Amino acid sequence: QVHLQESGPGLVKPSETLSLTCAVSGSSVRSGRFYWSWIRQPPGKGLEWIGYVFYTGSNTYNPSLKSRVSMSLDTSKKEFSLNLTSVTAADTAVYYCARESVSLAGIVDSWGQGILVTVSS
Amino acid sequence: DIVMTQSPDSLALSLGERATITCKSSQTILYRFNNKSYLAWYQQRPGQPPKLLIYWASTRESGVPDRFSGSGSGTDFTLTINDLQAEDVAVYFCQQYYGSPRTFGQGTKLEIK
Repeated sequence: QVHLQESGPGLVKPSETLSLTCAVSGSSVRSGRFYWSWIRQPPGKGLEWIGYVFYTGSNTYNPSLKSRVSMSLDTSKKEFSLNLTSVTAADTAVYYCARESVSLAGIVDSWGQGILVTVSS
Repeated sequence: DIVMTQSPDSLALSLGERATITCKSSQTILYRFNNKSYLAWYQQRPGQPPKLLIYWASTRESGVPDRFSGSGSGTDFTLTINDLQAEDVAVYFCQQYYGSPRTFGQGTKLEIK
């Protein structure tokens, strides 16, 4: 049973960088069977896919955020990370880390509990 | 981006009734070579992360009650929930995974009268 747990600051100042980490247990981040992704949800709103990182270190990002996003994977720590630069209030959201199945073309089969990140001075 | 549009935005039904939620994509999400529509449905209960219900438009995820069913192909899809139970109160999202970026519908809030 895979378990994903987000961690990071709950408050970030405008123009600064949002940094989150997702700890993975019960599944290998070295496996080529999964993409490791981030999805966010502004309060009371819908879901926005941010992107994913693969075990090779390659990644795919949502073009709407591509200029500000980077993701990485640390196989030794069994975790992956999200950095989002130059944040504004529009980046306030619950951020979910998730696992996508490669064999199922990217379906999200597991989600973390989510972490609320507020952008405010 | 492929735009996913759900309807209705919300609905309120009585216990035991049937809920029908539709999802329309702005372009086909049917891959001709395998005849699969790249459409998933998720359930998000209050205060919880989403949970996968259906993928390939009609395949139920393991452990999902058979009261939940998905149908459709191409651009038009339906999630049907039979015999509504109190635990079905949630927001339901469709998602396409045919193109990048993956995109979600705006969500349909299901309540019990």
